Amino acid sequence: GQNIDQPTEMTATEGAIVQINCTYQTSGFNGLFWYQQHAGEAPTFLSYNVLDGLEEKGRFSSFLSRSKGYSYLLLKELQMKDSASYLCASTPGANNLFFGTGTRLTVIP
Amino acid sequence: DAGVIQSPRHEVTEMGQEVTLRCKPISGHNSLFWYRQTMMRGLELLIYFNNNVPIDDSGMPEDRFSAKMPNASFSTLKIQPSEPRDSAVYFCASRPRLAGANEQFFGPGTRLTVL
Repeated sequence: GQNIDQPTEMTATEGAIVQINCTYQTSGFNGLFWYQQHAGEAPTFLSYNVLDGLEEKGRFSSFLSRSKGYSYLLLKELQMKDSASYLCASTPGANNLFFGTGTRLTVIP
Repeated sequence: DAGVIQSPRHEVTEMGQEVTLRCKPISGHNSLFWYRQTMMRGLELLIYFNNNVPIDDSGMPEDRFSAKMPNASFSTLKIQPSEPRDSAVYFCASRPRLAGANEQFFGPGTRLTVL
């Protein structure tokens, strides 16, 4: 079966750092995605990890540990526009994504 | 590039009516995905196509749902008859043909309300 766990909601202060955790159990694994989704909009791609370790892309970084079934998304220098839902998704097959229910992040002044 | 195009953006219908959602993938993309998003269940894959051929429809809730992809530039998701529990946002996404390119590009979604 497939299962992804991530916190439902988080709140952080503008300018701070926040880490959003994700644990996954999937039959088959071809990588771990993070997507950002603002309210009323479509999900947009943030990062993809297939090997263990940290991938850095500007203010956003994503980490993967395949042996632990664990990933996190790190957001630095938070801005108000970062308020959104962050979706963790595994790839049980070569083509399809299995999404978690998402973490709603609220950035406060 | 116009991105993935979906229509309509909003649909309000009454229980029992047929609903057809439309999607135009990004040109050159060979995989197309239909998702449903609700507050309770999040984003769920309904069906996906590779090269216009349905590969996995195990996420389609029941026989009331059907999807087609008659050519590389068009797909439909049909619900007949619709029920209030089908109310959700339906997203279409496409993926390029490039080897190792796993990123999916999502359309703006169709918000369906069944009364």
